[in-house]
Amino acid sequence: AQSVSQHNHHVILSEAASLELGCNYSYGGTVNLFWYVQYPGQHLQLLLKYFSGDPLVKGIKGFEAEFIKSKFSFNLRKPSVQWSDTAEYFCAVNGGDYGNNRLAFGKGNQVVVIP
Amino acid sequence: ETGVTQTPRHLVMGMTNKKSLKCEQHLGHNAMYWYKQSAKKPLELMFVYNFKEQTENNSVPSRFSPECPNSSHLFLHLHTLQPEDSALYLCASSQGSAGTAKNIQYFGAGTRLSVL
Repeated sequence: AQSVSQHNHHVILSEAASLELGCNYSYGGTVNLFWYVQYPGQHLQLLLKYFSGDPLVKGIKGFEAEFIKSKFSFNLRKPSVQWSDTAEYFCAVNGGDYGNNRLAFGKGNQVVVIP
Repeated sequence: ETGVTQTPRHLVMGMTNKKSLKCEQHLGHNAMYWYKQSAKKPLELMFVYNFKEQTENNSVPSRFSPECPNSSHLFLHLHTLQPEDSALYLCASSQGSAGTAKNIQYFGAGTRLSVL
């Protein structure tokens, strides 16, 4: 079964600091990769996705992620965070033998940005 | 708004009660999902429906009973739940059916369930 690992569950940083959240998955075949964000009291929203092509993908609100196939990783980055980026971030994977309907999620990263 | 609406937003029930969660999507999607989100655990996929047919039951206890009367509506019927079933229950929908590539799921805000 597919598994997704996210480290550093709690991240606290100041505004304007850079953010990088790691995501590693286990399945070795063709995958689709996603980052979702959940702002306090709100629904899960798609931040960005990778299906194929350029491994560096750009999402909403200045976020980007890089797919490194050899490392089974899809790390999320933002060069300069804002207080409004306080949220929980989830990496998710589907595809291959795991199926395109089955989204496997990581445990999430709780990010707190201090003004 | 994501186009996926869940009601109620909050629910408190006793272990002997019977209640239902409702999900409605206005996106014209063909697939719908139930997930369970517990603290400090990854989202757990519970059920998948494609074109109203259940295609996946992820070893969910029978005290959770899904129903999908049409492609726009999904219910989760609850009976004789346990306190450990307290969690946020999320509904999602996607355009594609099983096996469709580029299958993006859109989530509702969830129902926060407390079982006393």
